[in-house]
Amino acid sequence: AQSVTQLGSHVSVSEGALVLLRCNYSSSVPPYLFWYVQYPNQGLQLLLKYTSAATLVKGINGFEAEFKKSETSFHLTKPSAHMSDAAEYFCAVRGTTGGGNKLTFGTGTQLKVEL
Amino acid sequence: DGGITQSPKYLFRKEGQNVTLSCEQNLNHDAMYWYRQDPGQGLRLIYYSQIVNDFQKGDIAEGYSVSREKKESFPLTVTSAQKNPTAFYLCASTGAFAEAFFGQGTRLTVV
Repeated sequence: AQSVTQLGSHVSVSEGALVLLRCNYSSSVPPYLFWYVQYPNQGLQLLLKYTSAATLVKGINGFEAEFKKSETSFHLTKPSAHMSDAAEYFCAVRGTTGGGNKLTFGTGTQLKVEL
Repeated sequence: DGGITQSPKYLFRKEGQNVTLSCEQNLNHDAMYWYRQDPGQGLRLIYYSQIVNDFQKGDIAEGYSVSREKKESFPLTVTSAQKNPTAFYLCASTGAFAEAFFGQGTRLTVV
């Protein structure tokens, strides 16, 4: 089975500071990994995805993530936080055994950006 | 524009009542999913369908039912057997690398 763990259910940063949201995965096979963002009362929007090509993946809104197999991590970063980045962020891993392409999600990290 | 449409955005259910949430996609995706979202619990898979006329239970299927008669449509029925249905429900479909495209969600409240 696939699983992801997001460390820290709430993260607070100052505007202009580095954003780091942590995600560790468990997978018995090479995974596909994803980061999504969710604004209140809306669906999830794909930020970026890792599909076994480059280990450093760039996404929308200035976010990027690095796949580190040795650490089983896929942390999300952004050099300079903006107020509009305040939202909930979900890491997800693709299951490859049964269930076709179903995704398993982490429990989410709420990002707060302060002035 | 291609995408996933969920309706209604807000839904109220009385005790003992069945309600159906609509999900339609025009992305030509084969696979579709229903997730339930509760605060602090992330997304939990209710049902999924990889092809028309076929679907499988997810992790929390009890008290829910689905159908997949058309490729574009995957409605979810919340039955009276679901004892705690108040939640935010999200429908999704998956593309070539299994990235999920989501609808805007339906917030269901028991009154």
